[in-house]
Amino acid sequence: DAGITQSPRHKVTETGTPVTLRCHQTENHRYMYWYRQDPGHGLRLIHYSYGVKDTDKGEVSDGYSVSRSKTEDFLLTLESATSSQTSVYFCAIAREGQNIQYFGAGTRLSVL
Amino acid sequence: TQLLEQSPQFLSIQEGENLTVYCNSSSVFSSLQWYRQEPGEGPVLLVTVVTGGEVKKLKRLTFQFGDARKDSSLHITAAQPGDTGLYLCAGARNQGGKLIFGQGTELSVKP
Repeated sequence: DAGITQSPRHKVTETGTPVTLRCHQTENHRYMYWYRQDPGHGLRLIHYSYGVKDTDKGEVSDGYSVSRSKTEDFLLTLESATSSQTSVYFCAIAREGQNIQYFGAGTRLSVL
Repeated sequence: TQLLEQSPQFLSIQEGENLTVYCNSSSVFSSLQWYRQEPGEGPVLLVTVVTGGEVKKLKRLTFQFGDARKDSSLHITAAQPGDTGLYLCAGARNQGGKLIFGQGTELSVKP
């Protein structure tokens, strides 16, 4: 257990509304990641962070932004949610010097 | 572009049967990992393989990394209903870096 908490666990929202998902970790790891999981696609990287205010885009970053103002929190924002962003979102951390990632329990987001 | 091709995507077998899941790429990875995911939860690491040709065993699960570090396989002997879940392979290119995931294999083992 890497002390990762995702909130909310479930959310239903309407097209066009902004949505923010939170990932909180208790172990002060530098590396944090946001993924989305859709059937047939495995996990696809949205954004990642190597430290406070140090973030970069992953392979499916369009329509998403992130912020990391504190080591323990990594926020994922959908500026204007669309139905194509209906998915399960996972946050992960990696320990220094390791490629292994530890995942939160996920947030199931439905955009109607 | 899917850099890691995982097959099969779905597998439904009877308890006691053997199975193999494959993870293939044209790219070289510094390490390759296998994760297992149950419904409503995040993926959990099963094993990491680092050296070309490496074989690791975890009870009835055998993992192999290809000699060229481009592919990997997961073999389950005498599958049990408790093995049911989504199996994901993931390749890493450098330390602390990003992982590239395969599409996943949905395994169902019927009693």
